[in-house]
Amino acid sequence: KAGVTQTPRYLIKTRGQQVTLSCSPISGHRSVSWYQQTPGQGLQFLFEYFSETQRNKGNFPGRFSGRQFSNSRSEMNVSTLELGDSALYLCASSFAGDQPQHFGDGTRLSIL
Amino acid sequence: QKEVEQNSGPLSVPEGAIASLNCTYSDRGSQSFFWYRQYSGKSPELIMFIYSNGDKEDGRFTAQLNKASQYVSLLIRDSQPSDSATYLCAGDGGSQGNLIFGKGTKLSVKP
Repeated sequence: KAGVTQTPRYLIKTRGQQVTLSCSPISGHRSVSWYQQTPGQGLQFLFEYFSETQRNKGNFPGRFSGRQFSNSRSEMNVSTLELGDSALYLCASSFAGDQPQHFGDGTRLSIL
Repeated sequence: QKEVEQNSGPLSVPEGAIASLNCTYSDRGSQSFFWYRQYSGKSPELIMFIYSNGDKEDGRFTAQLNKASQYVSLLIRDSQPSDSATYLCAGDGGSQGNLIFGKGTKLSVKP
């Protein structure tokens, strides 16, 4: 059974640019959650999608957005990148948002 | 603000000893709790989950839940150097439908 797949694994961008990250969940999982992980703040919840609907959103600015497609794949977009957006972005999937979540390998985003 | 608190460590134990990792949570509505292991440079890996009061054992790992005290713990028996990692505790956000993570406890098992 394939795990959660995130692409790309690494990204280098400059301030002001925008970026789109992709996540393919485990087959059968309809919930996809996104997290930002930094050394100082730990794992911070960005948002959760279930059946193409955003059900929950963390405390992040509107520059962070996402969507989910009918096949449960999800994308996350960050616009007007700032230096502080440098982090590991993790996607996790589950049958439902409060069930065991399984993480992908993450996308490491570096902003220059 | 729903929170999950963990001692950041580092927690250092000798090989073969029992490592005890603890976690408290603020939301009495939380019903499900999860332990993840994260090696340096890797993503979190689910190792245990527990829904009911009491103990749940899986191999060398035992998760303990006390809802009255809002306390969750993870015991690792016969600790091995390969257990050295950061352990993340998470609880469900109740009606929020997402998981709330603690900042993790770094465990070091010395040979």
